[in-house]
Amino acid sequence: NAGVTQTPKFQVLKTGQSMTLQCAQDMNHEYMSWYRQDPGMGLRLIHYSVGAGITDQGEVPNGYNVSRSTTEDFPLRLLSAAPSQTSVYFCASSYSRVGYTFGSGTRLTVV
Amino acid sequence: AQSVTQLDSQVPVFEEAPVELRCNYSSSVSVYLFWYVQYPNQGLQLLLKYLSGSTLVKGINGFEAEFNKSQTSFHLRKPSVHISDTAEYFCAVSGSASGGSYIPTFGRGTSLIVHP
Repeated sequence: NAGVTQTPKFQVLKTGQSMTLQCAQDMNHEYMSWYRQDPGMGLRLIHYSVGAGITDQGEVPNGYNVSRSTTEDFPLRLLSAAPSQTSVYFCASSYSRVGYTFGSGTRLTVV
Repeated sequence: AQSVTQLDSQVPVFEEAPVELRCNYSSSVSVYLFWYVQYPNQGLQLLLKYLSGSTLVKGINGFEAEFNKSQTSFHLRKPSVHISDTAEYFCAVSGSASGGSYIPTFGRGTSLIVHP
């Protein structure tokens, strides 16, 4: 049982490049979300999904896209990377909405 | 809307001393409350949660928290800390105020530093 798997663990991008952060869970969880973690800011919600085919914006959605074509996968796309998107990104999932399981994170640097 | 305030950004303490990490929340509806721990270079791990019932909640690693509705608080406590408890601790709230999604809102975190 792998839980929530995020890839890659580390990534360096140049300004303007695009990329997709992958998130997969094998627990049949309906609820999935993406957060970014910045020093002194805690975790801020980017996008979330309450089931396959259903997504919505969180607190800081600008510059990011998501889709949820299957229950297992919830990729996060950076459309045109900017230095302000340098952060640690966490994916999380939940079955019952009460207590999320987190992945180990993707550390992204945009230069 | 819901929000979480963690009153201390950093809490230094000596090993075997008691510790309390403070958390206040605001929400106009009933809530679920959580504490997560993050060790260096790792993801977040659920320590404990309050859903309903007894206001004193016990979690892993000897931590406990008390839900106080009148004070809108959910402080985390441990009677005797170890060096291995050094980590970042996050308080989170979720409830129907988040549009039915129950997506948790996190505080900014408290860094617990345990000195030998």
